Amino acid sequence: VQLLESGGGLVQPGGSLRLSCAASGFTFNSYSMRWVRQAPGKGLEWVSAITGSGGGTYYADSVKGRFTISRDNSKNTLYLQMNSLRAEDTALYYCARAALTASGSSQYYFDCWGQGTLVTVSS
Amino acid sequence: EIVLTQSPATLSLSPGERATLSCRASQSVSSSLAWYQQKPGQAPRLLIYDASNRATGIPARFSGSGSGTDFTLTISSLESEDFAVYYCQQRSNGPPTFGGGTKVEIK
Repeated sequence: VQLLESGGGLVQPGGSLRLSCAASGFTFNSYSMRWVRQAPGKGLEWVSAITGSGGGTYYADSVKGRFTISRDNSKNTLYLQMNSLRAEDTALYYCARAALTASGSSQYYFDCWGQGTLVTVSS
Repeated sequence: EIVLTQSPATLSLSPGERATLSCRASQSVSSSLAWYQQKPGQAPRLLIYDASNRATGIPARFSGSGSGTDFTLTISSLESEDFAVYYCQQRSNGPPTFGGGTKVEIK
């Protein structure tokens, strides 16, 4: 089971970035996926979630209207489109897999994490 | 939004000692609480889910307890690889939230 994020970098305030998370080793479309971020030296903050089919999406208030989560199940890839970026969006962005019960129900906790991709918003 | 408060912020202990970490929720989360371990430069790792269930591959020295608003993560005898930051997380009502973390450092 592996999650590999990419797409981070330095961007000016107001700019855009698209993060990707390539998944392998599991049946990607069976799992809800999440983005979680961690500002430098700070704790963890849930950012966004998407159901296995992609039909349901959810956002933290801090990013609602600016970020869009999506997935391409044919490519086993999760995305986060980030627009109107602010300095406070500077963080390491992790993709994470929501655990499944034996019956296939998505859980609230995250049983697999990528290594993260760093987003820096600065002029 | 449910706020999780972890205490203490830092715990200074020696290898072999017992560590007791606390997580308090601003309202009941029933048993929908998980614990993660994060080492420097690494992603978080799931330790405990549903307050007291160890995740796959987690050693028995890690245990979780509690329900409602008060939860505890106990490490029965600290080993060198256990010195890290620990976070609790809930998703009982509203968005998922994390606690601010407890750093377990070598005394």
